[in-house]
Amino acid sequence: DARVTQTPRHKVTEMGQEVTMRCQPILGHNTVFWYRQTMMQGLELLAYFRNRAPLDDSGMPKDRFSAEMPDATLATLKIQPSEPRDSAVYFCASARSGHEQYFGPGTRLTVT
Amino acid sequence: EDQVTQSPEALRLQEGESSSLNCSYTVSGLRGLFWYRQDPGKGPEFLFTLYSAGEEKEKERLKATLTKKESFLHITAPKPEDSATYLCAVRRNRDDKIIFGKGTRLHILP
Repeated sequence: DARVTQTPRHKVTEMGQEVTMRCQPILGHNTVFWYRQTMMQGLELLAYFRNRAPLDDSGMPKDRFSAEMPDATLATLKIQPSEPRDSAVYFCASARSGHEQYFGPGTRLTVT
Repeated sequence: EDQVTQSPEALRLQEGESSSLNCSYTVSGLRGLFWYRQDPGKGPEFLFTLYSAGEEKEKERLKATLTKKESFLHITAPKPEDSATYLCAVRRNRDDKIIFGKGTRLHILP
């Protein structure tokens, strides 16, 4: 049963600390997406990759967020420095290009 | 500007009481409309993809339909386990990005 996995599932950190979230996409999927979900804004696309190349990161605050795909089995989202307004659930999703996306269970981030 | 609007924001139904959720969209070149289900504390779970006006898809008590401006998710004789947030999303024809609506929170009372 192929699934997207994300770690950690929960993260509590203090303002100013670095946060790294990891995602393992489904094997064979060549597009990977990072989303942030809040009650107020719903699901917002932060960045996405196709064949490991970044295609769009216009949804990310560039000064503090960065997203990478070191290899086909790992995508990372980093926040440095973190701020309380970054508190949200962060989802990773993967897909074969042009097909439906499958979501991971999310990382719930709390910045105090 | 591409956008997706879902209504109502929340819906409470008695078990067995059928209803429909609405998703209206404006997008420059539709290349697929998606419905997802999201349970509390979990990621969205894929339900359906619709590609062209007139298309319908069914799964158990759910049926999704599509017109040129909106999609409906019909729920027939719902059960408490159908309680969830239902998300609609559209993909444009120029890239892989999909735009989500804010969802409809559905609560089925036993």
